Amino acid sequence: QKEVEQNSGPLSVPEGAIASLNCTYSDRGSQSFFWYRQYSGKSPELIMFIYSNGDKEDGRFTAQLNKASQYVSLLIRDSQPSDSATYLCAVPTYSSASKIIFGSGTRLSIRP
Amino acid sequence: EADIYQTPRYLVIGTGKKITLECSQTMGHDKMYWYQQDPGMELHLIHYSYGVNSTEKGDLSSESTVSRIRTEHFPLTLESARPSHTSQYLCASSEIDEQFFGPGTRLTVL
Repeated sequence: QKEVEQNSGPLSVPEGAIASLNCTYSDRGSQSFFWYRQYSGKSPELIMFIYSNGDKEDGRFTAQLNKASQYVSLLIRDSQPSDSATYLCAVPTYSSASKIIFGSGTRLSIRP
Repeated sequence: EADIYQTPRYLVIGTGKKITLECSQTMGHDKMYWYQQDPGMELHLIHYSYGVNSTEKGDLSSESTVSRIRTEHFPLTLESARPSHTSQYLCASSEIDEQFFGPGTRLTVL
């Protein structure tokens, strides 16, 4: 089992709809969770982070965390073509290596 | 303005050459990272550092080496470039867990 798992997609969502991206993780000790957006040919950029169970909203983005089920999700409301990108879930691990594990990313495509 | 820089942005070089990819950050972060990423593929951690004179190899085996003599500077060196080294190299830094990425260096080895 990978430490951080994401559906690779592509996930195709009509413009204006809600896009839902999911991520599961294996380290029960993980305390913080990050979502990065990466446009084709560009570097990842941080768009959301969440530490506590429940929802965290920032503009059109909502991160949801369920530590008991070990999943974190990202909702994008009113999807725009500019949201088309790969979304990476990142989870710090607290094993001896103590580093951040990135998921393989979900490719999101917003169709007009 | 606090930022993270990588040079060169693009490099085309012949097999067997020695190359150094530069990465500098002005945020005062102790932690720095090097990732390798092929187009459309996932990020692979190749090296990381948690401070001056501290370097560790990442998950992906790499023939590159790194050094961390100054907090702000984390160069990556390939002693003898090969076509298999062709890839995008991304540098990142963080204070705790939130990583900030540089623009990347796209390396092509002929």
